[in-house]
Amino acid sequence: EAQVTQNPRYLITVTGKKLTVTCSQNMNHEYMSWYRQDPGLGLRQIYYSMNVEVTDKGDVPEGYKVSRKEKRNFPLILESPSPNQTSLYFCASSPYPGTEAFFGQGTRLTVV
Amino acid sequence: AQSVTQPDIHITVSEGASLELRCNYSYGATPYLFWYVQSPGQGLQLLLKYFSGDTLVQGIKGFEAEFKRSQSSFNLRKPSVHWSDAAEYFCAVGAGGFKTIFGAGTRLFVKA
Repeated sequence: EAQVTQNPRYLITVTGKKLTVTCSQNMNHEYMSWYRQDPGLGLRQIYYSMNVEVTDKGDVPEGYKVSRKEKRNFPLILESPSPNQTSLYFCASSPYPGTEAFFGQGTRLTVV
Repeated sequence: AQSVTQPDIHITVSEGASLELRCNYSYGATPYLFWYVQSPGQGLQLLLKYFSGDTLVQGIKGFEAEFKRSQSSFNLRKPSVHWSDAAEYFCAVGAGGFKTIFGAGTRLFVKA
């Protein structure tokens, strides 16, 4: 089954404690993205990756890092989380940029 | 700048009634256009997409959308709403380059 898998689904952490949200896709897509969803703001792109070792900033990259060492995996790293990063995060993959996106189930992160 | 506007934050319709969700975009060329649905606690699922050709596109779950270039609109319609259609709906534009821009979403409530 074609899917994008994120883990964990829910996470509560404290300010400053590094965390990683994993994302994996099994569709051999080259393009992957991370979004955050906040009420009234829709989805905003954090980072995207065109292929292995090729990543770039989206609209709201501050406080986040990503890596793309393998085609299927695209982890999101928060080196020092802050309460304003409390949000719902989605990973997505697409065959090509700007085309249909396949989304993971989401990770609800709370930073206290 | 590219943008997507969904004018209605929420809409309530009676079960069996028709539905139209509005979407307007700002983009210089003909974009790729999408509608996604997000059920509670779930990721986003593609309902339908427009790339080119026939401006009336059919999607899953009985939804359709019409691209109107002159109005820069891509409104989503369904002739008869079911209670299971209650969800949040996102219009999105593949705006060239490496990004997809999402609207803020419209939450649909269905009353019996």
